[in-house]
Amino acid sequence: GDSVTQMEGPVTLSEEAFLTINCTYTATGYPSLFWYVQYPGEGLQLLLKATKADDKGSNKGFEATYRKETTSFHLEKGSVQVSDSAVYFCALSGLSGGSYIPTFGRGTSLIVHP
Amino acid sequence: DVKVTQSSRYLVKRTGEKVFLECVQDMDHENMFWYRQDPGLGLRLIYFSYDVKMKEKGDIPEGYSVSREKKERFSLILESASTNQTSMYLCASSLTAHSNQPQHFGDGTRLSIL
Repeated sequence: GDSVTQMEGPVTLSEEAFLTINCTYTATGYPSLFWYVQYPGEGLQLLLKATKADDKGSNKGFEATYRKETTSFHLEKGSVQVSDSAVYFCALSGLSGGSYIPTFGRGTSLIVHP
Repeated sequence: DVKVTQSSRYLVKRTGEKVFLECVQDMDHENMFWYRQDPGLGLRLIYFSYDVKMKEKGDIPEGYSVSREKKERFSLILESASTNQTSMYLCASSLTAHSNQPQHFGDGTRLSIL
């Protein structure tokens, strides 16, 4: 079945550092890919998405490119802020039995120090 | 904006009790989901529903049941609560089963079984 693998955390950075969180996937067909963010005490919220190969999703300075050849969707940000401290989930939505089933990675905790 | 509301942020129950977790969404979404979130394990799908009175088992349905009598409401039921069901429970909804739209999450219910 479908699966998502993302780097284990926590990732600890200083403010204004460059961020990369790796995400790779296994899926049949052509899934859509998502990054969600979970701030402390809250549910997940959509950060960005990409629906086909070579699409780039972007939001709030974060970017990720759908790479079908490497089955990857790495999250990047050029300059992180303390307010970016959260848990980040990579996810895909793949077709199974005629319906779209979501699959999530285990999450990567990001801690940004001033 | 879609709003997914979970009835309780925190809940404490005793072993053997029957526990109901309620979730309501306000955007006429067809799909609704229940997950549990545990440290190091990410999100695990318990049950989901594509329509009123329909339900499908997820990855970890044992010890749980669900009810969807109205389109906007999806209830998770712990038939006889046990301590290993202490967890964060997240409800989500998405537009239809036939598209790759993202999910919208509630803020979660932190359930403790004593």
